[in-house]
Amino acid sequence: DGGITQSPKYLFRKEGQNVTLSCEQNLNHDAMYWYRQDPGQGLRLIYYSQIVNDFQKGDIAEGYSVSREKKESFPLTVTSAQKNPTAFYLCATDRDTYTGELFFGEGSRLTVL
Amino acid sequence: GESVGLHLPTLSVQEGDNSIINCAYSNSASDYFIWYKQESGKGPQFIIDIRSNMDKRQGQRVTVLLNKTVKHLSLQIAATQPGDSAVYFCAENTGRGGTSYGKLTFGQGTILTVHP
Repeated sequence: DGGITQSPKYLFRKEGQNVTLSCEQNLNHDAMYWYRQDPGQGLRLIYYSQIVNDFQKGDIAEGYSVSREKKESFPLTVTSAQKNPTAFYLCATDRDTYTGELFFGEGSRLTVL
Repeated sequence: GESVGLHLPTLSVQEGDNSIINCAYSNSASDYFIWYKQESGKGPQFIIDIRSNMDKRQGQRVTVLLNKTVKHLSLQIAATQPGDSAVYFCAENTGRGGTSYGKLTFGQGTILTVHP
């Protein structure tokens, strides 16, 4: 079945360490997105990519970096510059390019110790 | 900036009741509105959407109503079941193209709890 695979599902890191979250899709969707979700808040856009080798900052890009070397993959690196990285991270693809409806992965929960 | 918000952060109902979840939006240029359901520890799932040129759309046990005059969106769930317990988000899209391409603005979310 087609879908989005995020890994790892749970991740712990020490302060000052960079960590990379994986997002792989086999839906053949062009656009991919990373959202951050904090308790009691809606989703906030970190980065998005419409095509390979191109990506744009979202609303809260500071402290994060991405790459889009392949259509299927859009990894997110949470750097040590991100002051409050503990959150639930969601990767998504553009399910309907007309409405902008997104198809989400199952998420990765990052906890900084 | 523009934002989407919810009137009620929590809603508790009995199994079999109808549920209504509300959402206010502020961007009059928004073209599509989408409701998502998110179960604990999972990613959001699409429920139903509505375009700005409509005021009502029905799906299986769900209905979305759009009132552009007061910038209000609601999700009605008929005969609510325990499996409907989740967080429900509304999201708005200001349209295709340019910097708004695929970028949805999400509300806070409403926690729906269905008691057997």
